[in-house]
Amino acid sequence: DAGVTQSPTHLIKTRGQHVTLRCSPISGHKSVSWYQQVLGQGPQFIFQYYEKEERGRGNFPDRFSARQFPNYSSELNVNALLLGDSALYLCASSLEPSNTEAFFGQGTRLTVV
Amino acid sequence: GQNIDQPTEMTATEGAIVQINCTYQTSGFNGLFWYQQHAGEAPTFLSYNVLDGLEEKGRFSSFLSRSKGYSYLLLKELQMKDSASYLCAVLNYGGSQGNLIFGKGTKLSVKP
Repeated sequence: DAGVTQSPTHLIKTRGQHVTLRCSPISGHKSVSWYQQVLGQGPQFIFQYYEKEERGRGNFPDRFSARQFPNYSSELNVNALLLGDSALYLCASSLEPSNTEAFFGQGTRLTVV
Repeated sequence: GQNIDQPTEMTATEGAIVQINCTYQTSGFNGLFWYQQHAGEAPTFLSYNVLDGLEEKGRFSSFLSRSKGYSYLLLKELQMKDSASYLCAVLNYGGSQGNLIFGKGTKLSVKP
């Protein structure tokens, strides 16, 4: 069975640009969460979606948005990129929002220059 | 507030035992996870504790004391491949959302 897949694995963007990151959860999982991990830190919660609805939002500016599609895949969008947005963006999928069994994708390494 | 503390770095010798501690103060608690993360890779699940006590899984054990807000991960018979960061995370499930609150991670270096 395929695990959580994220694309792209790496990308480089310029300040002020926009980026879209994609995540496909494990088959049968309906909940997707996004985390940002800055180098040397633990992951920070950005969003949780379940059944295409936003269920939770972390302390991130409105430049960050996300959505979930009918097939439960998800996109994370970041507008007006800043240097500080450079990080590993992780997607985690679980059956339900309770997240007692969350599986992480390999992440997207975003570098903003 | 939400606060999870764990040591920044630890060093141990191959074949030895190491204990990584984690203390937490969070507004909610629905369990505590330990993840292993190799450099540049995704976190991989090691253990989940929701009740007090010790959970053993092969070379890895995890302990939880909810009254003390304390957990530890015990790694036995250390191998070189155990060199990684170990993340302590509290599950905060309230209302309709559940999110993990992570510590900064403990970088473990295993020496020959």
